[in-house]
Formats: sequence, structure tokens, C-alpha cells
Amino acid sequence: DTAVSQTPKYLVTQMGNDKSIKCEQNLGHDTMYWYKQDSKKFLKIMFSYNNKELIINETVPNRFSPKSPDKAHLNLHINSLELGDSAVYFCASSLTVTEQFFGPGTRLTVL
Amino acid sequence: AQSVTQPDIHITVSEGASLELRCNYSYGATPYLFWYVQSPGQGLQLLLKYFSGDTLVQGIKGFEAEFKRSQSSFNLRKPSVHWSDAAEYFCAVGPSGGYNKLIFGAGTRLAVHP
Repeated sequence: DTAVSQTPKYLVTQMGNDKSIKCEQNLGHDTMYWYKQDSKKFLKIMFSYNNKELIINETVPNRFSPKSPDKAHLNLHINSLELGDSAVYFCASSLTVTEQFFGPGTRLTVL
Repeated sequence: AQSVTQPDIHITVSEGASLELRCNYSYGATPYLFWYVQSPGQGLQLLLKYFSGDTLVQGIKGFEAEFKRSQSSFNLRKPSVHWSDAAEYFCAVGPSGGYNKLIFGAGTRLAVHP
């Protein structure tokens, strides 16, 4: 299937742990994104990569580090997890200036 | 500042009734405009988009939206709502040039009564 996929779908972990979320798209897009959706459903962009280059970096704690090994992958690593990091994280992709296609989301719960 | 306002947090309609979800934006230039739908526990699906041209755009699932520059609005409509339309609806704006940083509204939750 052509799509944006994320793993894992659910992630439950303790405060202080380090975790990663993976994203892959097979749509041939050149730009990928990470969004955070909080408990009130508010969506906010965190990062964007274009052809493996970081182009958008919102005011996100530096505990969050995205990595793009190639155009089809954008991973999100989070160090020293905090309670406030609990949210749904969405990956998305697009051609540079077109609509974005979203993955199914990863629900992160920090205990 | 760039922003998107969806004034209605929660709307309830009866199945078969018409629907209009409001979206107003504040943006420095003419933006690209989008409506996305999120079903419970799911990702976001694009309903429709406006880039340029005809200000009335048709989307999937029988939805349409009208861009009104003078009112900075991009309201979503559907003539007859189905129970399966119950979901969260997000309006978003993005730049018409350069990199595609979308700004989302807070969403409108639609409930459909049988």
C-alpha cells in the first residue's frame, strides 16, 4: 500500500526514558514532518525535513531530535521523557508545496 | 500573527441535515487552505484544498468549501450529513510559496444524531 506509516502505534514508558518513533513514506515525497497533537486535539508542527535537510524547527525542547536517513524516512528520538510529552505524534509527508499526507499517529504515554 | 480560528468547538446535527463548519484565518499573504478530517483513533485525511482559481472547491465524501477572501474564511459544507461523518474536522492554512508549514485550527467535533 502507498501511505505514510509509523511505528509503534502505541508507546507507554516511564519518565526519564529515551524512546524513538519511526516514520516511512512510499509516496515519493520530498518533504516530511512531525506534528504533536495534545490532549485538546491541538495540532502543532514540530519539525520538517526536505530532502534530508532540516527546514522547519519550531520551539521544541532539544530533548527531541529528528533524524532523516533518507527522503523516505523521518524518525523522532526523544530523550529524558517527561509527563508533558504525552501526546499523539503524527508524521506527514508532501511534495514541497502541496497537501500533506498524514500517518496514523503514535500515542505516547509517559507515566 | 498567522492563525486559524474554528469558532465552533462542538456541533451536533441530525442525520440528513445540512452542515456548515466555519473557518477564519489570519495570514500575511494569500494562503493555501485545507480541510482535514480525523476519525476517532485515526490519522488525518484530506477532504479538500484550495490553491487558486474557482473559490468553490469540491472534495471527497460530498464535502465542499468556499474561499471568501474578503471575509478571510474557508467554510466547509455538506448538504446532507451521514452518521459516518461524525469526526473531528480541522481547517489549516499554509504558504502559497516556500516550505509547507501548516497552521491548524483547534478543530470542530461533529456529532451526528440518528
